[in-house]
Amino acid sequence: KAGVTQTPRYLIKTRGQQVTLSCSPISGHRSVSWYQQTPGQGLQFLFEYFSETQRNKGNFPGRFSGRQFSNSRSEMNVSTLELGDSALYLCASSLAGTSGTDTQYFGPGTRLTVL
Amino acid sequence: AQSVTQLDSHVSVSEGTPVLLRCNYSSSYSPSLFWYVQHPNKGLQLLLKYTSAATLVKGINGFEAEFKKSETSFHLTKPSAHMSDAAEYFCVVSDPGTDKLIFGTGTRLQVFP
Repeated sequence: KAGVTQTPRYLIKTRGQQVTLSCSPISGHRSVSWYQQTPGQGLQFLFEYFSETQRNKGNFPGRFSGRQFSNSRSEMNVSTLELGDSALYLCASSLAGTSGTDTQYFGPGTRLTVL
Repeated sequence: AQSVTQLDSHVSVSEGTPVLLRCNYSSSYSPSLFWYVQHPNKGLQLLLKYTSAATLVKGINGFEAEFKKSETSFHLTKPSAHMSDAAEYFCVVSDPGTDKLIFGTGTRLQVFP
């Protein structure tokens, strides 16, 4: 079974631009979560989608948004990029994600650099 | 609120010696706890998870962890380190009833020949 895939793997943008990252979950997984990893803040939860609905959200500004499609693929968008948005963005998928015990499988991440 | 504290930011061991990575948790509920590993420029890989079954959990690559409620600890161990174990290790607790993972700050494991 193919793992979680994320595209692109690397991105370079300038301040003020917007960016869209894509995540394809493991086949059959319906929950997709996004995390931001930075040296200063570590790994932080952004949001989680299940059946095309945002089910949980972390403490990030409204510039960070996402969506999920009917095939469970997910995209996240960051508008008006700031230097501090430079990070590794990780996507994770799980079967249903309602119990807190489901294993989340992570993709390789998208490395975003904002200049 | 759920949280985890990884007590060491760096751990160095010699190849063939035991590994101990320490993690304490804070939870109002019976927690679900995980250890993930991240190799350089890679995503996160699950090593093992505890979900209130057996307190001694065996994972991949010879790692195991013991859930100790009295000490609120979930330390990760391995009897004999291998060079390929050099990586960053994260202790993680999940928010009950959701899929939200709360990560510790990570422990970087170095393995010397």
